[in-house]
Amino acid sequence: EDQVTQSPEALRLQEGESSSLNCSYTVSGLRGLFWYRQDPGKGPEFLFTLYSAGEEKEKERLKATLTKKESFLHITAPKPEDSATYLCAVRGKAAGNKLTFGGGTRVLVKP
Amino acid sequence: DVKVTQSSRYLVKRTGEKVFLECVQDMDHENMFWYRQDPGLGLRLIYFSYDVKMKEKGDIPEGYSVSREKKERFSLILESASTNQTSMYLCASSAGYLNTEAFFGQGTRLTVV
Repeated sequence: EDQVTQSPEALRLQEGESSSLNCSYTVSGLRGLFWYRQDPGKGPEFLFTLYSAGEEKEKERLKATLTKKESFLHITAPKPEDSATYLCAVRGKAAGNKLTFGGGTRVLVKP
Repeated sequence: DVKVTQSSRYLVKRTGEKVFLECVQDMDHENMFWYRQDPGLGLRLIYFSYDVKMKEKGDIPEGYSVSREKKERFSLILESASTNQTSMYLCASSAGYLNTEAFFGQGTRLTVV
């Protein structure tokens, strides 16, 4: 059974204070690791897909990296508008089209 | 832009009512999903469909059914709503080939009283 654990559960940052979110996963045959951003009361918004260890993707102040056991979402010089819950999900070989989500990390960036 | 649209943002229903949640996507995606999201429990898959009239149970199908009569539309049905089905419901879709990302709708906050 695929499993995803995200840490920390919550993160409070000052504006400009860079940090990293962790997503640890156990999957039989990774078919993709996905990062989403979710604002309160809204659906998750797709950010990145990573497929193999060593891969990196960037978008504005966000950078996602992948190893064989975990993924990191680095937030560089965050702004208050980066405040959101960040979700990690994996698709394993045995799961077909299904995604397994982690519990998310709530990020609050204070000005 | 991919668009997944859920018919309601907020719904309030009474215990025992039959409830329909509708989802439409405009990207000709083969796969469609229904999740519920609860504090402390994360996103949990209720049902998914990989083709018209095809469906598979997810992790928590009890008390729910689904219908997919057209490719673009996926409906979640609560046969007899109960208070423990109060939740945020999220619809998603993805292309038929594996490894692609899923796109989500804006969510329906359902309250059963």
